[in-house]
Amino acid sequence: QIQLVQSGPELKKPGETVKISCKASGYTFTNYGMNWVKQAPGKGLKWMGWINTYTGEPTYADDFKGRFAFSLETSASTAYLQINNLKNEDTATYFCARDDYDGEFAYWGQGTLVTVSA
Amino acid sequence: DIQMTQSPASLSASVGETVTITCRASGNIHNYLAWYQQKQGKSPQLLVYNAKTLADGVPSRFSGSGSGTQYSLKINSLQPEDFGSYYCQHFWSTPRTFGGGTKLEIK
Repeated sequence: QIQLVQSGPELKKPGETVKISCKASGYTFTNYGMNWVKQAPGKGLKWMGWINTYTGEPTYADDFKGRFAFSLETSASTAYLQINNLKNEDTATYFCARDDYDGEFAYWGQGTLVTVSA
Repeated sequence: DIQMTQSPASLSASVGETVTITCRASGNIHNYLAWYQQKQGKSPQLLVYNAKTLADGVPSRFSGSGSGTQYSLKINSLQPEDFGSYYCQHFWSTPRTFGGGTKLEIK
C-alpha cells in the first residue's frame, strides 16, 4: 500500500536549520510530484509548493521563497523540506502530500511538528 | 493567483441533519477542486476531487457539486464521525490554494 512516512518532531532555536524527510513506499517515486503543506497551530492548511520528483525542479509559493528548500534522494524514494534561519512563526506541522492523477492530494504523510523556541 | 473563500468558518449541526459548505474561487478553476476532511491531530483525508468525484472509501452521504467559481460540499444524514475541519483546495494552477476551512461540530 502507498505510504508517506515523515521524520519525527523537531525542537529548534531561532536561526537554526531543520530538515524534514518524507519517505515514500508502495509506488514508483518519480511518477508523482510531492507537495509540502504548512499548518500553524490552530490554523488552516497552506500550500508551500511542490517538487517534480522526475526532474528535481522545485516550485515555491511566494511566502516560501528564500529560506525554504525542497530536495530529493530518489534512490531512497525520499523527499526533504529544509528550512533555514528558523523564525518563531515557522512553528507548525508540516505535511508532505503526493500529487495524484489530476493534482489532488490523495496521500499524505503523518505530519512533522517543528517547534521554534529560544 | 487564485484565492479560495470558504464559508461558513464554523457550524454546529445535529446527527441526521444535512449541511453544506461552500467555496468560491476568485477565478474559473474548471472543476479542479478537492475537498478534504481533517480530524484533530491527524492528516487531511481526500473526500472529493474534480469537484464531484468521491475518493475511494468515502461514504455516499458526501457529495460535491459546482462549476466555474462556485463549489459546494454537501453531507447528508450527518454522522458523529463527521465532526472535524473541512477544506477546499483548487489545483487548476499554482499556487494550489486552500480555503480557510470550516470547523464542523456535532450538536
